[in-house]
Amino acid sequence: EAGVVQSPRYKIIEKKQPVAFWCNPISGHNTLYWYLQNLGQGPELLIRYENEEAVDDSQLPKDRFSAERLKGVDSTLKIQPAELGDSAVYLCASSYRTGLGEQFFGPGTRLTVL
Amino acid sequence: AQSVTQLDSHVSVSEGTPVLLRCNYSSSYSPSLFWYVQHPNKGLQLLLKYTSAATLVKGINGFEAEFKKSETSFHLTKPSAHMSDAAEYFCVVSEEDTGRRALTFGSGTRLQVQP
Repeated sequence: EAGVVQSPRYKIIEKKQPVAFWCNPISGHNTLYWYLQNLGQGPELLIRYENEEAVDDSQLPKDRFSAERLKGVDSTLKIQPAELGDSAVYLCASSYRTGLGEQFFGPGTRLTVL
Repeated sequence: AQSVTQLDSHVSVSEGTPVLLRCNYSSSYSPSLFWYVQHPNKGLQLLLKYTSAATLVKGINGFEAEFKKSETSFHLTKPSAHMSDAAEYFCVVSEEDTGRRALTFGSGTRLQVQP
């Protein structure tokens, strides 16, 4: 069974440019999460989807970040425009259901903003 | 509100010696607690989880953790470290009675294993 797939694995852009990350969760997993992981810290939730509905986006900086999961399967996270402080690893995770269900993480996308 | 404190940012042990990674949590409700491991350039992997059943939880690769409510602790242990255990370890708490059901991660403990 394939795990959570993320692309690209690495991205280098200049500040003020847009960038997008893609995530394909494990087949059958209804819940999808996007996390931000700064260097030397634990991941922090940005947004959680139940199928195609964003049910928790309280930590998503909506002035520059957006996300979508149109068909309730794969998802895209976008930053426009990117700032220097956005350099981090962006993790995607999925679970069969919210709550006690184990979250399975992808390898992440490492973003560097110059 | 829930929070997690990992008491050591770095732990170094010799191969074959015991491992102890310390974690304290704060939670308003009965929490679920997890330990995840992150190897370089790989995704986070669940080691074990506590969900109000047995207080001593056994996980993969010989790791185990004990939930101590009186001490609000969930320390991770392993009797004998292996070189392959070198990684970043995260203690995680999740509350089920709040609207936000995602995981709250600690800041991580980097485990080094010396030959």
